[in-house]
Amino acid sequence: AQTVTQSQPEMSVQEAETVTLSCTYDTSESDYYLFWYKQPPSRQMILVIRQEAYKQQNATENRFSVNFQKAAKSFSLKISDSQLGDAAMYFCAYRGSQGNLIFGKGTKLSVKP
Amino acid sequence: DTGVSQNPRHKITKRGQNVTFRCDPISEHNRLYWYRQTLGQGPEFLTYFQNEAQLEKSRLLSDRFSAERPKGSFSTLEIQRTEQGDSAMYLCASSPNRRNTGELFFGEGSRLTVL
Repeated sequence: AQTVTQSQPEMSVQEAETVTLSCTYDTSESDYYLFWYKQPPSRQMILVIRQEAYKQQNATENRFSVNFQKAAKSFSLKISDSQLGDAAMYFCAYRGSQGNLIFGKGTKLSVKP
Repeated sequence: DTGVSQNPRHKITKRGQNVTFRCDPISEHNRLYWYRQTLGQGPEFLTYFQNEAQLEKSRLLSDRFSAERPKGSFSTLEIQRTEQGDSAMYLCASSPNRRNTGELFFGEGSRLTVL
């Protein structure tokens, strides 16, 4: 069975600085998607960034980028120029042949002004 | 289209009562998912539908839980004889199909409190 592990329950970053959130996963599949979702307090989960496993190039969305290491089964999220609005729970998620998303336990990110 | 809609947003009930949650997915999405999220945890998969067919159920979905999607549009999640351990946020999500973008679109959730 596939698993997703986020080893950092909480992280903190100074406004305008850069922070990296870690995620590792376990799978025997070769074709899958990886995601980072953001869940602000009492608000819905929204997609931050997506990576297809067959693509070697790391995905980038504005201030958000990933470091995808397929062999190591690692998928970290880098947030550059952190903003107060980035404060939220961040979930790493895996989607393979089974169709549903498998989530990690999340990392709570705080942004200090 | 305003996205995935869930009702009610909050439900407080007494132990032993039945509750039902409704999810209206994005209209052109044929896949619909239910997740449960407890405080400080990631969402846990419960079940999903492709159109009206329920394709997979998690072991978390006990006999007291039933989900339906009768016409392949909205879905309901019913919990019978609620227990305090059922207190959680119930999230619904939809997607066009598995191999489109891979992304799931989430609703705001229905929070259940069992007293």
